[in-house]
Amino acid sequence: GAGVSQTPSNKVTEKGKYVELRCDPISGHTALYWYRQSLGQGPEFLIYFQGTGAADDSGLPNDRFFAVRPEGSVSTLKIQRTERGDSAVYLCASSLNPGREGADTQYFGPGTRLTVL
Amino acid sequence: KNEVEQSPQNLTAQEGEFITINCSYSVGISALHWLQQHPGGGIVSLFMLSSGKKKHGRLIATINIQEKHSSLHITASHPRDSAVYICADEYGNKLVFGAGTILRVKS
Repeated sequence: GAGVSQTPSNKVTEKGKYVELRCDPISGHTALYWYRQSLGQGPEFLIYFQGTGAADDSGLPNDRFFAVRPEGSVSTLKIQRTERGDSAVYLCASSLNPGREGADTQYFGPGTRLTVL
Repeated sequence: KNEVEQSPQNLTAQEGEFITINCSYSVGISALHWLQQHPGGGIVSLFMLSSGKKKHGRLIATINIQEKHSSLHITASHPRDSAVYICADEYGNKLVFGAGTILRVKS
């Protein structure tokens, strides 16, 4: 079956521009996660959706970052007024239905490599 | 603050060697995840465990909840095992990742 897909695979933009990154989770997965991975480091958490709502957005670095999941499936990560420090690989993952105790396998997309010039 | 530390950062092994990668975390967790990342970025989940030990093929993962420590073992290592291995602890439905261990297995 289809895995998690992300588009675009690469995005090059200029400082100050607005970008949108898209994630298509595995069909039926209620949980969706966004992570950011800088070169040579492990991924860092940005935001977690359960259904349509952001259950935890504590990882978003500042108010230039925003994410939506209006119908509980596809999600878009939006970055305003991009800065060079935003350059990273943005990873999306989905999981079937983490319970209150959490602990469900997350399936990762291939990532979007964002480069801000 | 929830911190996850891995060791070693880099590991080079000869084909056939037994490999151990260690992971320590600071906060009580729902589960500990081991993931594999190949060059080009794709991340694959290897294990999710909250107690004891799990085995899949040549890979074994163990966890000691009291000591807040987990290990990933690879038996009879092979060059195709070369990748970055990342541990992550799941706390409050989000993963906190270690920096990863870069493994290179030479033939």
